[in-house]
Amino acid sequence: AQTVTQSQPEMSVQEAETVTLSCTYDTSESDYYLFWYKQPPSRQMILVIRQEAYKQQNATENRFSVNFQKAAKSFSLKISDSQLGDAAMYFCAYRSAPVGGATNKLIFGTGTLLAVQP
Amino acid sequence: NAGVTQTPKFRILKIGQSMTLQCTQDMNHNYMYWYRQDPGMGLKLIYYSVGAGITDKGEVPNGYNVSRSTTEDFPLRLELAAPSQTSVYFCASSSGQYYGYTFGSGTRLTVV
Repeated sequence: AQTVTQSQPEMSVQEAETVTLSCTYDTSESDYYLFWYKQPPSRQMILVIRQEAYKQQNATENRFSVNFQKAAKSFSLKISDSQLGDAAMYFCAYRSAPVGGATNKLIFGTGTLLAVQP
Repeated sequence: NAGVTQTPKFRILKIGQSMTLQCTQDMNHNYMYWYRQDPGMGLKLIYYSVGAGITDKGEVPNGYNVSRSTTEDFPLRLELAAPSQTSVYFCASSSGQYYGYTFGSGTRLTVV
């Protein structure tokens, strides 16, 4: 079974600085998808970024980018020019690519709570 | 465009009571899911559905039931509530297996 590990329960960053959140996963599959979700105090889960395993290029969405290392099974999230609104819980998630009609679900890590200091 | 709507947002139940958490989506998504979120544990899948009339168990289904009579609605039923069911519950939907989920805003349930 696949697992997702976020080894940093809490992180802190100064406003306008850059921070990297770590995520590792365990799988024997070659085709899958990886996601980062943001959960602010409002509790709403918001998709931040998505990476397809067969793509070598790292995904980028404005100030958010990933460092995807397939061989190392690592998927870190970099937040540049951090803003107060970035303060949230961040979840890394894994989803197998569909094979043979199987329904594959998102598997979540335990989350990293990011604080942004003014 | 409302996305995924969950009701209620908060609820307190007494041990042994029952309730239904409502979830509806207006995006015509076939895939719908129920997760629970406990502190330090991430999100755990309770039940999911791949279309109207089709449901299946997730990782932690005990104490819960679901139904999917329409594409839009996916209610979660708690029978005989127990303190262990105190959690935040999220409903989510997806248009396909290549994509992430759209989440509802969650229901905070306390069983006392």
